[in-house]
Amino acid sequence: DGGITQSPKYLFRKEGQNVTLSCEQNLNHDAMYWYRQDPGQGLRLIYYSQIVNDFQKGDIAEGYSVSREKKESFPLTVTSAQKNPTAFYLCASSILAGPYEQYFGPGTRLTVT
Amino acid sequence: AQSVTQPDIHITVSEGASLELRCNYSYGATPYLFWYVQSPGQGLQLLLKYFSGDTLVQGIKGFEAEFKRSQSSFNLRKPSVHWSDAAEYFCAVVIKAAGNKLTFGGGTRVLVKP
Repeated sequence: DGGITQSPKYLFRKEGQNVTLSCEQNLNHDAMYWYRQDPGQGLRLIYYSQIVNDFQKGDIAEGYSVSREKKESFPLTVTSAQKNPTAFYLCASSILAGPYEQYFGPGTRLTVT
Repeated sequence: AQSVTQPDIHITVSEGASLELRCNYSYGATPYLFWYVQSPGQGLQLLLKYFSGDTLVQGIKGFEAEFKRSQSSFNLRKPSVHWSDAAEYFCAVVIKAAGNKLTFGGGTRVLVKP
């Protein structure tokens, strides 16, 4: 079955530590995305990548970093510079040509104390 | 900048009653339009999408949406709600001229009363 996997489902870290969230897709999609979701808010784009070894900042990239070494994988690192890292993180992927609909993973809930 | 507005933060509906969720976007060109549903603690699932053609589109789970260009709206409807429809619903748009990025509304949480 094709899809997007994110691991782990729940992640707990101490303040000041970097943490990396995993995202893998086997849909053969070129584009991948990371979103942050806070309670009562919509999704905000952190980073996206349309091709291996290339990525662009989204609307709230500060305090985050990504890599895209393989087409299937797009890990997100939440650094200690991110002021409010506790949130629900969603990964998505899509083809590059229209209609640009994105397919989402199940999400990772990160709690930093 | 483009924006997507979902005016209703919460909606409570009785099981079996009809449901309509509102979505308005602000952009001059016709965007690609989507509705997604999210169950608590889960990812988003695509309900339906509109790109062109017939302005009334059918989706999964008995949902439909109507694109009205004059009102810049893309409202989601379901004739008869089931308890399993309790979830959060997000409207989203892609503007091709803006780099094909997906912009989401703030979401509407639907509660279903027995």
